Amino acid sequence: QVQLQQWGAGLLKPSETLSLTCGVYGGSFSGYCWSWIRQSPGKGLEWIAEINHRGGTNTNPSLGSRVTISEDTSENQFSLKLSSVTAADTAVYFCARSRGRYRAGNFYPYYFDYWGQGILVTVSS
Amino acid sequence: EIVVTQSPATLSVSPGERATLSCRASQNLNSNLAWYQQKPGQAPRVLIYGASTRATGIPDRFTGSESGTEFTLTISSLQSEDFAVYYCHQYDNWPETFGQGTKVEVK
Repeated sequence: QVQLQQWGAGLLKPSETLSLTCGVYGGSFSGYCWSWIRQSPGKGLEWIAEINHRGGTNTNPSLGSRVTISEDTSENQFSLKLSSVTAADTAVYFCARSRGRYRAGNFYPYYFDYWGQGILVTVSS
Repeated sequence: EIVVTQSPATLSVSPGERATLSCRASQNLNSNLAWYQQKPGQAPRVLIYGASTRATGIPDRFTGSESGTEFTLTISSLQSEDFAVYYCHQYDNWPETFGQGTKVEVK
């Protein structure tokens, strides 16, 4: 049974960098795409970024250049960094898996079949 | 960015009754829409993908359908475990986006 387990700092001050990691257990890491999604009361579910099984990445333009997603295939883990956080970044952050769609040389998104348990990240001075 | 709009925000239904949830997309999704169920303190769980394909292990009382840019999730006979929040998710193109959710509550 595939399990995604996430960890990282849950309390940050404004301007700090959010750093989260998601470990994948009980299933293959290669061949899948890995995403970060957040959920806040004001904005609902928001997709943040994805890394595909060729190492390519896509990020939500609404977050601009603050987002970095990376993977460590040797550890079956992937990570999120979000810089210059503000109170608006307070949310529950989820990691998730999808199979991705590969068409005409490009990757496209797909639905999420496994999710991590979520981690609350609060930004407060 | 593709916008997906869910309605209603809250749906009050009695156990055993049918629930009909809607999701409207701002453009054609080529059937690339999924439905998720979320209970308090849990991650979302996929119910339907490809607009109408039930995910593994999902009971057949959950049915997805589409007509153009309108998508519908129907729960034929609500069970106690079905009272939750439901989200639609478009994955036709980047950035993938979610609806604001429909809360199905006990009437």
